[in-house]
This record gives sequence, structure tokens and C-alpha cells, in this order.
Amino acid sequence: QLVLTQSPSASASLGASVKLTCTLSSGHSSYAIAWHQQQPEKGPRYLMKLNSDGSHSKGDGIPDRFSGSSSGAERYLTISSLQSEDEADYYCQTWDTGIVVFGGGTKLTVL
Amino acid sequence: EVQLLESGGGLVQPGGSLRLSCAASGFTFSSYAMSWVRQAPGKGLEWVSVISASGGSAYYADSVKGRFTISRDNSKNTLYLQMNSLRAEDTAVYYCAKESGLAAAGSPFDYWGQGTLVAVSS
Repeated sequence: QLVLTQSPSASASLGASVKLTCTLSSGHSSYAIAWHQQQPEKGPRYLMKLNSDGSHSKGDGIPDRFSGSSSGAERYLTISSLQSEDEADYYCQTWDTGIVVFGGGTKLTVL
Repeated sequence: EVQLLESGGGLVQPGGSLRLSCAASGFTFSSYAMSWVRQAPGKGLEWVSVISASGGSAYYADSVKGRFTISRDNSKNTLYLQMNSLRAEDTAVYYCAKESGLAAAGSPFDYWGQGTLVAVSS
């Protein structure tokens, strides 16, 4: 079964960096994912598509502070030089024939 | 500029029906698969349904299969979600989302709408 697992929460200080993790279920380590950001009271926003080899393509207007990387079944989103507006929920998404799956989301708090 | 504008949400009684619409602009609507995603109050994102660019293929989450129907009118650049036999657990903000490819469930969502609220309550 295709499942994505995320930690419920993360925190980091203003100006620092943070690395969020999304883990693919067993047998699905070759799958690409996408990262989405949802700021409070707003709709989600596409950040990037992240492939199993770590290559990624970002959405329109996404700052260079956002980057992605991969290792095995783990997919990472790194946000550097954290700003207050980065405080949001972050979701990973993947897909297969006839199905789309979201992770449970990580709530990022900027201290 | 890509824009997705949902409408049709509101308060409905259990067992009732509602049809959501998503008006698309800023891209060639007929070239991309489209999805509906919902978010219950205080919860995460839940995929509901996807339809291919041509409308020839559609898939549903188990939680809505047999009750919801996704469709599209490429001449009107509009996506629809017909929701029947609504339950309290269908209460959520419903978002439409554009895939970056034409095959259903074959690529990531690269644009989202702002959502429309559906509340199912007596």
C-alpha cells in the first residue's frame, strides 16, 4: 500500500535552516513526490517535484531558499534562512495509477 | 496567470446533494488532468477524485466511491464534482487542483484553488 509518513511538527529559529522528512512506504522507494506549503487560512501552494535521485523542479516563484533531496525512501525539504512567513503546514504528495496520496503534514513553527 | 476558482459550496442536510464547480483560466484546460482534494476542519489534505485531460478516465477515493462523480467540460474550462448521499464526515473545504500532466494521477499538482466550504449538518 502506497503511504507517505511525515512527522507532525517541527520548529526552528528565524534565520536558521530546517529539514523536513517524508518517508515512502516499503516497495515504493523509487517514487517521485511533490512538496506543498499551506499557510494559515490559505489554500495549498506547490513548492516542487522531487525525484528519487534528488533532482527537483520548483514551482513558479518559489525562492532558492527551498530545496529538495532524496535518500532511499526518504524525501527531504530543506528551508534555509527561515522567515516568519515560512510558518505553515507542509504536505508531501505522491501518485500512482488511479490514486493520489498525501502525507499527514508537518506543522512548522518559526521561533 | 493560472487561476482556479471553486464555487457551489454551502450547508446541506445529511443525505442531500451538492454540485461543486471549478472555473479554470490562464492555461489550456483541455491538456491537463484535474483533481478534487478536501480538507476537514483542523485536518490534513485528503485526495477525493481525479479526471484525465480528455475526461475519459476518472478515479475516486474509497471514501467517496459510488457517491461522488467527477466530470469536466473542456469547452467551458470547468471542472465539476457532483456529491450525492452526503454525510457529516464529508464536511470540508474542497479544493480543485491542476496536475502538471494529462494522464489522471500521473503527475504532481502544480496549481491549487482557494477552496469552497461544504458543511453537512441537520
